[in-house]
Amino acid sequence: RKEVEQDPGPFNVPEGATVAFNCTYSNSASQSFFWYRQDCRKEPKLLMSVYSSGNEDGRFTAQLNRASQYISLLIRDSKLSDSATYLCVVKRGSQGNLIFGKGTKLSVKP
Amino acid sequence: GAGVSQSPRYKVAKRGQDVALRCDPISGHVSLFWYQQALGQGPEFLTYFQNEAQLDKSGLPSDRFFAERPEGSVSTLKIQRTQQEDSAVYLCASSLVQGPSYEQYFGPGTRLTVT
Repeated sequence: RKEVEQDPGPFNVPEGATVAFNCTYSNSASQSFFWYRQDCRKEPKLLMSVYSSGNEDGRFTAQLNRASQYISLLIRDSKLSDSATYLCVVKRGSQGNLIFGKGTKLSVKP
Repeated sequence: GAGVSQSPRYKVAKRGQDVALRCDPISGHVSLFWYQQALGQGPEFLTYFQNEAQLDKSGLPSDRFFAERPEGSVSTLKIQRTQQEDSAVYLCASSLVQGPSYEQYFGPGTRLTVT
C-alpha cells in the first residue's frame, strides 16, 4: 500500500463545475501537507499548502483531517485552465523529501 | 530570477550505457533533491543533499545509481549500466533550507528513455 493514496480519475467536468479530490496518507508522523499541480509533460508546481484549520486561495479550498489522515481539495467554478494532474503530497517531520500520491487527473471541458 | 535548470532535457540511452544528468539549483538554495517519475505515477524520492553533504540516499533503487554535489551547488545524478526500467523523468528540486515550511522548486526534468 502506498503511503499517499489518491483516486487517479480522470475527472471530466464542465466549465463552472465544482470538483473535489480526496487523498489519504498512512504515516501519522506526516507533518506538512500540500497540493501540487502538474501540467502534461511539465514539472510539479506548488498549488497550496494545507493547514489543519483549512485554507482557501481564491477558487481553491484545502482541508486536512489529522484524525482520519485525510486531505481534500475543492475547486469551485472550474476553468479550462484548471485541467491538469493534482498531486497530494506529504512531508514527514525532520525529513525534507516530499512523498507524492499518484495524482488525480482533471479535465475541464467547455 | 532563474529557476532550477536541468540538462539534458531528453536522453536516449542504449541498455548498458552510463548516463549523467545535471541539475543547477536556484542560486543560494541549500537543499537539493532528486526524484524519479515513472509514466502515470507521482514523483518518488531518490536522494537529498544539504550543501555538499548527501544526507539521505534511501530512495536510490540500486547501486547503479549515484549522485554527487561536490561544491554544494550543481548536482549530477549518474546511472551506470542503464536498464529499461530506468526509463522515467528525473526531477531535481531545490529549497532555500531544509524544513517543513520551505517550498521545493522543481526543474523541468530530464526524460530518460532506455532502449
